[in-house]
Amino acid sequence: DQQVKQNSPSLSVQEGRISILNCDYTNSMFDYFLWYKKYPAEGPTFLISISSIKDKNEDGRFTVFLNKSAKHLSLHIVPSQPGDSAVYFCAADKIGTASKLTFGTGTRLQVTL
Amino acid sequence: ETGVTQSPTHLIKTRGQQVTLRCSSQSGHNTVSWYQQALGQGPQFIFQYYREEENGRGNFPPRFSGLQFPNYSSELNVNALELDDSALYLCASSPLVTGGEGYTFGSGTRLTVV
Repeated sequence: DQQVKQNSPSLSVQEGRISILNCDYTNSMFDYFLWYKKYPAEGPTFLISISSIKDKNEDGRFTVFLNKSAKHLSLHIVPSQPGDSAVYFCAADKIGTASKLTFGTGTRLQVTL
Repeated sequence: ETGVTQSPTHLIKTRGQQVTLRCSSQSGHNTVSWYQQALGQGPQFIFQYYREEENGRGNFPPRFSGLQFPNYSSELNVNALELDDSALYLCASSPLVTGGEGYTFGSGTRLTVV
């Protein structure tokens, strides 16, 4: 059973525009959500996170929005840059327990010139 | 500050064989977690090691086992390899047992079982 879903396997956006990557989860026990970015032949790197007590968290060009009632989160990248081209994974966790991330299947973002 | 190093980067094994994958943790990190990423899927949690003890396990059979050493490096052992074990195995070290934002991932070991 896929507890964290990223329904768009790929996304193409023009440089300078907004990229919106979506993620849905089914397990109500999750209360901490993270986005990771992965380049080919490298491990995932942490991008931004949000806990369930917030509905928005910003870090520079990256903003994550959480809609708990819909069990949905999204990552906004503004403005998108060619270096943002990578696979983005959404992950969910439970605060206060040994970290045991549940990942989505990833969305490949391509930022075109 | 050194990152997380995994070895080997690639290997090919025959069904039924055993394999050992290695991971050195980042300096200052005492926790190591292992993930399996099958083709087209997201990483799946295998287990976590803290202070040389298993500290949480995902939905993987007992033929997946691990070790953590006093220097916090770790091994993942898989016995009786099956074709479905073909995947990218990722190791992540962290300074705490909680908080995925503290993870530093290695580049992974690509295992192919034939």
